[in-house]
Amino acid sequence: DGGITQSPKYLFRKEGQNVTLSCEQNLNHDAMYWYRQDPGQGLRLIYYSQIVNDFQKGDIAEGYSVSREKKESFPLTVTSAQKNPTAFYLCASSIQAGEGTDTQYFGPGTRLTVL
Amino acid sequence: RKEVEQDPGPFNVPEGATVAFNCTYSNSASQSFFWYRQDCRKEPKLLMSVYSSGNEDGRFTAQLNRASQYISLLIRDSKLSDSATYLCVVPNAGNNRKLIWGLGTSLAVNP
Repeated sequence: DGGITQSPKYLFRKEGQNVTLSCEQNLNHDAMYWYRQDPGQGLRLIYYSQIVNDFQKGDIAEGYSVSREKKESFPLTVTSAQKNPTAFYLCASSIQAGEGTDTQYFGPGTRLTVL
Repeated sequence: RKEVEQDPGPFNVPEGATVAFNCTYSNSASQSFFWYRQDCRKEPKLLMSVYSSGNEDGRFTAQLNRASQYISLLIRDSKLSDSATYLCVVPNAGNNRKLIWGLGTSLAVNP
């Protein structure tokens, strides 16, 4: 089956710990994205990557880091510097054909709770 | 004007009703728009893309009004399974690879 997978579905961490969220896609998409969603707020872009070994900060990158060593994978690390890490984290990908805006497809998300 | 603005609702409608949501946007240069639906505690799923004046897919119709800078989503013959939050999405004015997400309109279809 083609798609985007995220793991784990639920994650609990203690304050002060770093944690890495996994995102894998087998759609052969060039671009990948990380968003967070908080109650009552729209999706906010954390980081995105348009090509392997390259990524850009989104609107709320502070306290997060990413890597894009393979086309299929775009892991997100939530560091202890992130002040309010409890949120629903969504990974997306898009084919990125041409200069226009491409449809983004989402994984099932990881719900992170900091205790 | 906000980059993307939606009426949060909730819209409560009976089964079989027709319901319409509006979404206003500020970037007059936007060429493409999207409607996603999101079920509670799930990921957003693409409902419809809008690239010209509108799009239709079964019971769902999206219309674009560039002059007034709004897009609408019309749902005919509402089903219980249509209950969800509907997200309006437009490209970022400075970088069309980035999307601006509305807060969503909540729809509850009642038996």
